[in-house]
Amino acid sequence: DQQVKQNSPSLSVQEGRISILNCDYTNSMFDYFLWYKKYPAEGPTFLISISSIKDKNEDGRFTVFLNKSAKHLSLHIVPSQPGDSAVYFCAARSQAGTALIFGKGTTLSVSS
Amino acid sequence: DTAVSQTPKYLVTQMGNDKSIKCEQNLGHDTMYWYKQDSKKFLKIMFSYNNKELIINETVPNRFSPKSPDKAHLNLHINSLELGDSAVYFCASSQEGEAFFGQGTRLTVV
Repeated sequence: DQQVKQNSPSLSVQEGRISILNCDYTNSMFDYFLWYKKYPAEGPTFLISISSIKDKNEDGRFTVFLNKSAKHLSLHIVPSQPGDSAVYFCAARSQAGTALIFGKGTTLSVSS
Repeated sequence: DTAVSQTPKYLVTQMGNDKSIKCEQNLGHDTMYWYKQDSKKFLKIMFSYNNKELIINETVPNRFSPKSPDKAHLNLHINSLELGDSAVYFCASSQEGEAFFGQGTRLTVV
């Protein structure tokens, strides 16, 4: 039973446009949400996170939005760049020190 | 200086063999993990290890055993390897925030 779901396996965007990656979760005990970026043959790299007490967190071109009532979060990348092409994983955990639960990932392709 | 390092990066071995993957973190984190990424690219938690407390994902076969000689190391030992064990294994560590991952070990069982 998947607790974190990324229903779009892939997304293609043109350079300069906005990329929106979506994630849904089922466990209401999750209190911390993260996005990771992964290139082939490398480990996942932390991108941005958000606590359940917030609804938005911004870091440069990356913004994460959290809608707790809908159990939904999204990652916005604007403007998208070709170097953003990677697999993006959504993750969540229920308390500090516990393992992150990952979605299946969305492959983002940004074309120039 | 790599924060989380694991060795080897690639491992090819025959069915039935026993193998180990090593992981070291220099971040001073209290918690370490092992994740498995299968052929469907799904990252699944296998073990969490925190202050000598081991939390095991119940779906992990007991042929897999984590071994922690100290807080900075969490090695993964696998007995009697099977074809289905072929995957990429990631080590990670965390304190209270995000987890930091190693580069992964691609295990191929032939």
